[in-house]
Formats: sequence, structure tokens, C-alpha cells
Amino acid sequence: NAGVTQTPKFQVLKTGQSMTLQCAQDMNHEYMSWYRQDPGMGLRLIHYSVGAGITDQGEVPNGYNVSRSTTEDFPLRLLSAAPSQTSVYFCASSRDRGFYEQYFGPGTRLTVT
Amino acid sequence: GIQVEQSPPDLILQEGANSTLRCNFSDSVNNLQWFHQNPWGQLINLFYIPSGTKQNGRLSATTVATERYSLLYISSSQTTDSGVYFCAVDGDNAGNMLTFGGGTRLMVKP
Repeated sequence: NAGVTQTPKFQVLKTGQSMTLQCAQDMNHEYMSWYRQDPGMGLRLIHYSVGAGITDQGEVPNGYNVSRSTTEDFPLRLLSAAPSQTSVYFCASSRDRGFYEQYFGPGTRLTVT
Repeated sequence: GIQVEQSPPDLILQEGANSTLRCNFSDSVNNLQWFHQNPWGQLINLFYIPSGTKQNGRLSATTVATERYSLLYISSSQTTDSGVYFCAVDGDNAGNMLTFGGGTRLMVKP
């Protein structure tokens, strides 16, 4: 199993550009989520999904959209990038919500100039 | 929401030393995980430990859920243990939305 994969690894955007960060998992996990990590800090939840077709907001959802059309994929869209979105983005998955371990992808380092 | 505090924020050790990292949380939890973030930024699962004690090689962890804290023990530290250690918890009614502590930054010197 590849586990949780993310693409791209690095990205530089100009203010106002849009892009999609890709996340996929091959463990048949129902629960997937996106976090951002700013320098010197822990991770904060952006959006999460408890299954295909179901998404919800986390702690810092503004400026981001998500969708979950399949169990495997959970893309994160930046609609109009801003310098405040410069961060490292991590995707995670787990078997279900509740008493299950979460597994994290390798991260995408995004810089918005 | 649930609050997570980790201590100490920074720790410098000589190779071979032992250490204890602490995680305090403000409410009941369904899930508690310890992660190691290596110098390349990768998050590595160390323990899934909402209660009880687990050991994996030189690392062990104990969570006392009733007293709302968890401890991570590192014995015979190695330079490869350097990085940031995060505790993350999911409150009882949060549905697997992990809240991360601020981390403990560990440097192990040769």
C-alpha cells in the first residue's frame, strides 16, 4: 500500500491564482481531512470528510473548498490564493471517525507571493 | 474547544540520555496520538494511545485519561530522534478532528 499520497510536493503561486492540492489514499478509509501547518506551530484542521459525498468545515476553512466524489480522493482547492495561505498542507485519513488512528501524507509546501 | 499543552517546548539532550515529554489536555478524548516530525517535515505516527501504556523499542507512552495527560518516554536518545514531537487529541464529541499541541522541539547532540 502507498498509504496517503499528496501532489505536488512544492508549489509557488502568485496572489489571486487558483490551484488544487491532490490527496489520495489506498487503504479504503472513510475519513479524510486536510490540515495546515504554519512555521513553528502545530497543525490546524481545514476541512474533513466522513465519506464520499460528505464534507464539513474544520477550524480554519476560509479560502478553501473541498469535495469528495470517491472514497480514495480528497482534493483541496484554493480559489484565490493569498500570502496568508503560505503554509505546509497535510492530508490525513483514518478508517472512520472516533477511535481510529490517523495516517498523514508527506505534505505540500505552498508559497504564495 | 479542547486545549492541548505540551512541555517542555524545547529540549536539548546529549546522545544516550533519557527524556520525558508531557501532553496535558483539557477534556475527555476519544483519540490521542503522538507524532514525530522529522527535519524533512514528515509526520511519523509513534503511538495511538487514548489510554494505557505502549512500548515500541526505545520509545514508550502512557496516557492517564482520567487525569487528562499523556507522557512520551525516549530512552537512550540518538541523533535521529531530533525533530518536533506533537501530541494530538480528538475530543469526545469532535468526531476525529485532531487538535494538535504546540510541540516539543528536541535536539540530540552527538
